[in-house]
Amino acid sequence: NAGVTQTPKFQVLKTGQSMTLQCAQDMNHNSMYWYRQDPGMGLRLIYYSASEGTTDKGEVPNGYNVSRLNKREFSLRLESAAPSQTSVYFCASSEAEPIAGGTKETQYFGPGTRLLVL
Amino acid sequence: RKEVEQDPGPFNVPEGATVAFNCTYSNSASQSFFWYRQDCRKEPKLLMSVYSSGNEDGRFTAQLNRASQYISLLIRDSKLSDSATYLCVVFNSGGYQKVTFGTGTKLQVIP
Repeated sequence: NAGVTQTPKFQVLKTGQSMTLQCAQDMNHNSMYWYRQDPGMGLRLIYYSASEGTTDKGEVPNGYNVSRLNKREFSLRLESAAPSQTSVYFCASSEAEPIAGGTKETQYFGPGTRLLVL
Repeated sequence: RKEVEQDPGPFNVPEGATVAFNCTYSNSASQSFFWYRQDCRKEPKLLMSVYSSGNEDGRFTAQLNRASQYISLLIRDSKLSDSATYLCVVFNSGGYQKVTFGTGTKLQVIP
């Protein structure tokens, strides 16, 4: 199992350019997530998808769009990149497991995409 | 108040030392809790889940105190390879599956 894979690993964009970050998981998980990580800010949720065909905004969705193409793939699109979107982007997936009193969802992360917007 | 708070550190400890990290959370309805480890320029990886009864995995012990709304991670006999950033993660289930990450505590184990 490859787990969660992301492409590209690195990207440099000029302000206003567009790009799509790709993410795929082979663990048959229903839930998938996109985060950005900035120094001193921790991981912040951009969008998530609870299942194929559904997506919801997270904490910082502005400037991004997502597509849950199928159960395996969840892409993140920057339509018009801005310097404020310079960050490290992580994709993650999870599946609910029953535990006493509820459920637990352990997240598994991809290796990340380092994006620099000039 | 932040939803999840951690002391950013860095904690500089000698090899063999015992070190403890705390993390506080603000939502009393939070359901599940985790510690993740993140190495420099790498993705976060699950270290351990945290249960009310406390759990231990080798040199690592995690505790949850729901009354005071904090979780802790204890590392005994620190190794150089333990140097990393440790992220506290709180998961709230419901109509919106919300996961909140702490900003992390950096640990540097010194020879």
